[in-house]
Amino acid sequence: QIQLVESGGGVVQPGGSLRLSCAASGFTFSRSPMHWVRQAPGKGLEWVSFIRHDGSNNYYADSVKGRFTISRDISKNTLYLQMNSLRPEDTAVYYCVKGDDYSPGHHWGQGTLVTVSS
Amino acid sequence: DVVMTQSPLSLPVTLGQPASISCRSSQSLVYSDGNTYLNWFHQRPGQSPRRLIYKVSNRDSGVPDRFSGSGSGTDFTLKISRVEAEDVGVYYCMQSTHWPPFTFGPGTKVDIK
Repeated sequence: QIQLVESGGGVVQPGGSLRLSCAASGFTFSRSPMHWVRQAPGKGLEWVSFIRHDGSNNYYADSVKGRFTISRDISKNTLYLQMNSLRPEDTAVYYCVKGDDYSPGHHWGQGTLVTVSS
Repeated sequence: DVVMTQSPLSLPVTLGQPASISCRSSQSLVYSDGNTYLNWFHQRPGQSPRRLIYKVSNRDSGVPDRFSGSGSGTDFTLKISRVEAEDVGVYYCMQSTHWPPFTFGPGTKVDIK
């Protein structure tokens, strides 16, 4: 069955960096677009970033543009989110989501918590 | 950016009774291919979200048929024909017609009276 397992979350100071990973299995990763979606504590869902199946184009929310970078390693079936210049408002659970028809789809990971605090 | 709104934001429901959530977009969600990319997600307490409905009215695999989606243009509705205990949580609509960004509604919290 399809599995998405995020890792890499933790506590980081403002201005710091973190790299999230998402290990994918149970589907053909190289053919699937992928998303990152986040959820601040007690808040709703916010789309963060999208990468096409072949990595040819990446898209970002304005709130993270220029600071976050999405990428994928087909050989490792892994999705990444490099987060730089982190701010307290980036504190959230970050979910890896399998894309479906470009949209975030049915399959989500369990999430990884990122806390930006001094 | 397309703004998504939902009503109500809180919905107390009675087990076995129907429930309905409204979602509205700031512009039409009809894409040039004729499809309308409006999705519904459900997040149970302490769990990850999962998609229930895509392209307005198509249920994802494993989603009970008591869930149905309808609507067109800018106005959409998620209906639960008979609420069960496992249906509690927060429901989000999300548009994937005009992206980036993909935009979610604020969520509707459903709980049992």
